[in-house]
Amino acid sequence: ETGVTQSPTHLIKTRGQQVTLRCSSQSGHNTVSWYQQALGQGPQFIFQYYREEENGRGNFPPRFSGLQFPNYSSELNVNALELDDSALYLCASSPASGRSYNEQFFGPGTRLTVL
Amino acid sequence: KQEVTQIPAALSVPEGENLVLNCSFTDSAIYNLQWFRQDPGKGLTSLLLIQSSQREQTSGRLNASLDKSSGRSTLYIAASQPGDSATYLCAVSNSGYALNFGKGTSLLVTP
Repeated sequence: ETGVTQSPTHLIKTRGQQVTLRCSSQSGHNTVSWYQQALGQGPQFIFQYYREEENGRGNFPPRFSGLQFPNYSSELNVNALELDDSALYLCASSPASGRSYNEQFFGPGTRLTVL
Repeated sequence: KQEVTQIPAALSVPEGENLVLNCSFTDSAIYNLQWFRQDPGKGLTSLLLIQSSQREQTSGRLNASLDKSSGRSTLYIAASQPGDSATYLCAVSNSGYALNFGKGTSLLVTP
């Protein structure tokens, strides 16, 4: 069983640029969530996708957007990057049913640095 | 707004000790609670999931309890080992999807 994978591992951008982060969910999972983790903090919920639709959103501005594809993989897009967007971006997938229903399984993260 | 607090922020213990990590939350109408482990610069590893109807879960040397009425959860680690050194995060879900995380407890187990 393949776990959650994310790409790229690290990324350096400059202020004002746009970035796309990618996530492949764990086999059998149809829900994907994205979190932002600043240094020394707990992760903050950005949004969740279920069956290609946004299922909930945290307190993040519209320049944070996402997509989920028919194979349940997902993208996080951030426009007009700001210095405070520097963080570890985590993707999590969860199954829609079964013993682990709603348990979230995280990928290794993408470290984004904005200069 | 759900607030999750973890105490202590950091803990250092000698190998072999049993230890307890604490998590408290302000809104007791939770859907579930999950404990994670995070190694430096890495993603999160799920340790235990407790549904709102459950009181505790066990996995190997780990035991997590949940008391919704008091807004508390504890993670008990038996016979600690240096490999247990990591940051432990508690996360609560009120909605069934979004997790609200504490800032974590940084654990160091010394040989």
